Amino acid sequence: EPEVTQTPSHQVTQMGQEVILRCVPISNHLYFYWYRQILGQKVEFLVSFYNNEISEKSEIFDDQFSVERPDGSNFTLKIRSTKLEDSAMYFCASSGQGRDVSQETQYFGPGTRLLVL
Amino acid sequence: RKEVEQDPGPFNVPEGATVAFNCTYSNSASQSFFWYRQDCRKEPKLLMSVYSSGNEDGRFTAQLNRASQYISLLIRDSKLSDSATYLCVVNEGNFNKFYFGSGTKLNVKP
Repeated sequence: EPEVTQTPSHQVTQMGQEVILRCVPISNHLYFYWYRQILGQKVEFLVSFYNNEISEKSEIFDDQFSVERPDGSNFTLKIRSTKLEDSAMYFCASSGQGRDVSQETQYFGPGTRLLVL
Repeated sequence: RKEVEQDPGPFNVPEGATVAFNCTYSNSASQSFFWYRQDCRKEPKLLMSVYSSGNEDGRFTAQLNRASQYISLLIRDSKLSDSATYLCVVNEGNFNKFYFGSGTKLNVKP
């Protein structure tokens, strides 16, 4: 079964540093997403991406964050000047054909656990 | 205001029990509904989509009540492997944004 992959699985960084989280969505999918989950809390939507541009973003996704699909396969989330409260699991997801959202499955990657010290 | 609300549980049930979870959503324009399962420290995985007429997949039955804006999940004959957190997810009919509930934790005991 095709799968979404994410690297690294864990990242430790110092406050104020920049991090780039990488994702390889399923190859024929059209929609890409980033979510975060702070330990013990719910999954929170960050951003969706379609046709090489952001289609929607949440209040969390401020100027500190950016996304990119640099080469048609990777999908990256950059966090500039990390803060302690950015510590969380970051999940990438993708979904496919775009015909009917009720029929769609979002496939999630295994996540990157980010710890900001 | 929470877009999607769930009882956090935990629900502690013996093997073989039937258990039901409910979820309410605030936006009456919501169009698509899903139940996901999340194991500890793992990614969410789709359990089933929820259709207006209700749908069943083996031991799992999902129902949608648009008038009351709630979704339910019924698990029959619980297995130990059903222990997980069950996430209710709602979408407004496009692919742009999905709202997750905080999840309901289920512990199935032998």
